[in-house]
Amino acid sequence: SYVLTQPPSVSVAPGKTARITCGGNNIGSKSVHWYQQKPGQAPVLVIYYDSDRPSGIPERFSGSNSGNTATLTISRVEAGDEADYYCQVWDSSSDPLVFGGGTKLTVL
Amino acid sequence: EVQLVQSGAEVKKPGESLKISCKGSGYSFTSYWIGWVRQMPGKGLEWMGIIYPGDSDTRYSPSFQGQVTISADKSISTAYLQWSSLKASDTAMYYCARLGESYNELDYWGQGTLVTVSS
Repeated sequence: SYVLTQPPSVSVAPGKTARITCGGNNIGSKSVHWYQQKPGQAPVLVIYYDSDRPSGIPERFSGSNSGNTATLTISRVEAGDEADYYCQVWDSSSDPLVFGGGTKLTVL
Repeated sequence: EVQLVQSGAEVKKPGESLKISCKGSGYSFTSYWIGWVRQMPGKGLEWMGIIYPGDSDTRYSPSFQGQVTISADKSISTAYLQWSSLKASDTAMYYCARLGESYNELDYWGQGTLVTVSS
């Protein structure tokens, strides 16, 4: 089955830019979605179709996808952005809905 | 407003059966796939399976095939996840979520149901 690889943790100072990667074989040919999960809460979709933002998600959140890596970028990071972030794709296989292992974003 | 409302937390003993629910509102329940996602304590998200309430077409992750049953009652806009014999390792938070119609993203999520299995 298809595998998505994320770094376990990323740290960033407030006001700086955080970049969270999601690696997969030829992931650039798939649509990548990103979720934010704060402690004790359900996940929330923050980016879909590589770079689109659902309504209500700040413009500070953006995404890109090319080759073997997709990236979630959070600009002007705030303390409230501290959360776990998961990437997800749909793969045409017997196990189609795939999540990455998640990345804990720490705001220093 | 699209909403998915899940049933409340459950505490069960090993070997017991359980059925949890996810009620959709604010959209055409029969027109979107609903997925179930497991999150074990301190761990990541795992896809369990999906169901299309319009015709009850169901697909399971190989990891969960035979371990759980996913169903839906379109007359009351509710999807279900059930176990026939719980194990301690089923202790987890379970989320339902709606699949977007174009790109298979999980665009709306339920609040989660915590299942605790302990003797």
